[in-house]
Amino acid sequence: DTAVSQTPKYLVTQMGNDKSIKCEQNLGHDTMYWYKQDSKKFLKIMFSYNNKELIINETVPNRFSPKSPDKAHLNLHINSLELGDSAVYFCASSQLSGQETQYFGPGTRLLVL
Amino acid sequence: KQEVTQIPAALSVPEGENLVLNCSFTDSAIYNLQWFRQDPGKGLTSLLLIQSSQREQTSGRLNASLDKSSGRSTLYIAASQPGDSATYLCAAPIYNQGGKLIFGQGTELSVKP
Repeated sequence: DTAVSQTPKYLVTQMGNDKSIKCEQNLGHDTMYWYKQDSKKFLKIMFSYNNKELIINETVPNRFSPKSPDKAHLNLHINSLELGDSAVYFCASSQLSGQETQYFGPGTRLLVL
Repeated sequence: KQEVTQIPAALSVPEGENLVLNCSFTDSAIYNLQWFRQDPGKGLTSLLLIQSSQREQTSGRLNASLDKSSGRSTLYIAASQPGDSATYLCAAPIYNQGGKLIFGQGTELSVKP
């Protein structure tokens, strides 16, 4: 059983398009996160949700909008994609925000042409 | 502002060597310190989590230490194997920031047979 899953695994799209990435965790955790890993492999947090409520919103363009329909799901919608959005996006989850291990999904590799 | 630094950026060792990876952080107000492993094209796998009240944690051939006063953590790998080749990342969540993990840029380890 996959603990944290993401779909799709790869996403190739044209500039200006709108796309969504889905994340699901079956660990019963109350907190979920989105991270971005850039071409230099640096990981940076984008958003965090606790029990469907937004608790972290880093300096991210408002073209990025997370949505948490329930505790087990956190989706990321991106409008008007730009070349600079090309990266690997990781979803993660944990119990007790920050105090326990974060479990990461396999990543979604986004390439904007 | 928390900054996490890892040294060295890359390391190549022959199989069987014991090695140490270093991680330093600027803000000691952390819940814990987490070490992850990332294989090429894959997600992150949690290796060890040291709570702020602990000095070290061990798992198999891995031993991680934490010294909050000096802002340092080390990951010791005993009797390295080619299968240990990966990028190792350390990360620290800051108090009252919803589990936001600040990552170092990683140490890319190559263990030669």
